[in-house]
Amino acid sequence: QQQVKQSPQSLIVQKGGISIINCAYENTAFDYFPWYQQFPGKGPALLIAIRPDVSEKKEGRFTISFNKSAKQFSLHIMDSQPGDSATYFCAAKKTGANNLFFGTGTRLTVIP
Amino acid sequence: DARVTQTPRHKVTEMGQEVTMRCQPILGHNTVFWYRQTMMQGLELLAYFRNRAPLDDSGMPKDRFSAEMPDATLATLKIQPSEPRDSAVYFCASGLRTSGFSYEQYFGPGTRLTVT
Repeated sequence: QQQVKQSPQSLIVQKGGISIINCAYENTAFDYFPWYQQFPGKGPALLIAIRPDVSEKKEGRFTISFNKSAKQFSLHIMDSQPGDSATYFCAAKKTGANNLFFGTGTRLTVIP
Repeated sequence: DARVTQTPRHKVTEMGQEVTMRCQPILGHNTVFWYRQTMMQGLELLAYFRNRAPLDDSGMPKDRFSAEMPDATLATLKIQPSEPRDSAVYFCASGLRTSGFSYEQYFGPGTRLTVT
């Protein structure tokens, strides 16, 4: 059973556009929500993370929007660049635990 | 430049053979995770350790997989005997879990395992 549901599976965006990836969860015990970026042949790398006590976190062109009541969170990439082309994973961690539950990933392609 | 290292990067083996994958976590990190990535299942947690003690290995097929941390600088994942369905990329990740709110995991480059 997938603890974190991610969509879309793939996304194509024009350079300069906004990329939006969505995730949803059911378990209210989750207390940490990171996004990871993975390039081909590499391991995932932490991009940005949020706790449920805030509704938005921004780092450069990357923003997490968090809706606690809807149990959803999303990643927005502003001014998307070809170098952003990668697979993005959302994840969640339960209170008191260390391990992450990952979404199934979104392959983003930014076309020039 | 601190990073997680994994060896080997690629491994091709025949069904039934033993496979050992190694991971060197970032110096000072006290939590180590093993993940398996496949197209069908995505990223799955196999096991994780804190301060070298196994905390959770429920994601690992116990009959053929084993994970250990002989010391703080080395984590191993063994498959014996290997099967074609074990073909995947295996990632090690490490983190520093303190009393504060720090759950970052730093992933290694992975070991791509192919079992024929």
